[in-house]
Amino acid sequence: AQKVTQAQTEISVVEKEDVTLDCVYETRDTTYYLFWYKQPPSGELVFLIRRNSFDEQNEISGRYSWNFQKSTSSFNFTITASQVVDSAVYFCALRNNAGNNRKLIWGLGTSLAVNP
Amino acid sequence: EAQVTQNPRYLITVTGKKLTVTCSQNMNHEYMSWYRQDPGLGLRQIYYSMNVEVTDKGDVPEGYKVSRKEKRNFPLILESPSPNQTSLYFCASSMTGVNTEAFFGQGTRLTVV
Repeated sequence: AQKVTQAQTEISVVEKEDVTLDCVYETRDTTYYLFWYKQPPSGELVFLIRRNSFDEQNEISGRYSWNFQKSTSSFNFTITASQVVDSAVYFCALRNNAGNNRKLIWGLGTSLAVNP
Repeated sequence: EAQVTQNPRYLITVTGKKLTVTCSQNMNHEYMSWYRQDPGLGLRQIYYSMNVEVTDKGDVPEGYKVSRKEKRNFPLILESPSPNQTSLYFCASSMTGVNTEAFFGQGTRLTVV
């Protein structure tokens, strides 16, 4: 069975704090893909990053960074020097390599509130 | 601008009154799908389509229909909506490669009373 767990339901920080959003996944596949999406208060889903199971390099994009560790089945997301505009629900998702369906299996999301 | 467009954004309807939520993408993507988002349940796939005239059920297809007559359009049809279909719906499109991200529409918030 495949599953994505985002244990932190809600996080509240003060602007400029660093915050890490956790994502733990379960899959029996050796090839799989991990994603992070952002859902701001306006409701749309915005793609942030994709990572395949063969690429364990961490990635940094501006204030955002991602730490992928296969040994712990985790794909955590860190926002450095958070800003109010980072307030959103963040979703981690998993896709396997089997069949034709490109279905994403989603965590339940972490609601991040960045307060001024 | 590359985008997935859903309409309407908000809809309140009554039980049993057929409705269609439209979805159109301008990225020439072969793959399209519909999800619904519910509190505590997250996002779940309703239907997907690998290409024109090729559709298949996702995890929660009951009460829904889809069609894919053109590559760019993938409407979601509720023949007889019920209150348990009150939800936030998202259309998504992507290339068929497994290692590709999905692009999502703005969402349609449907309330069935």
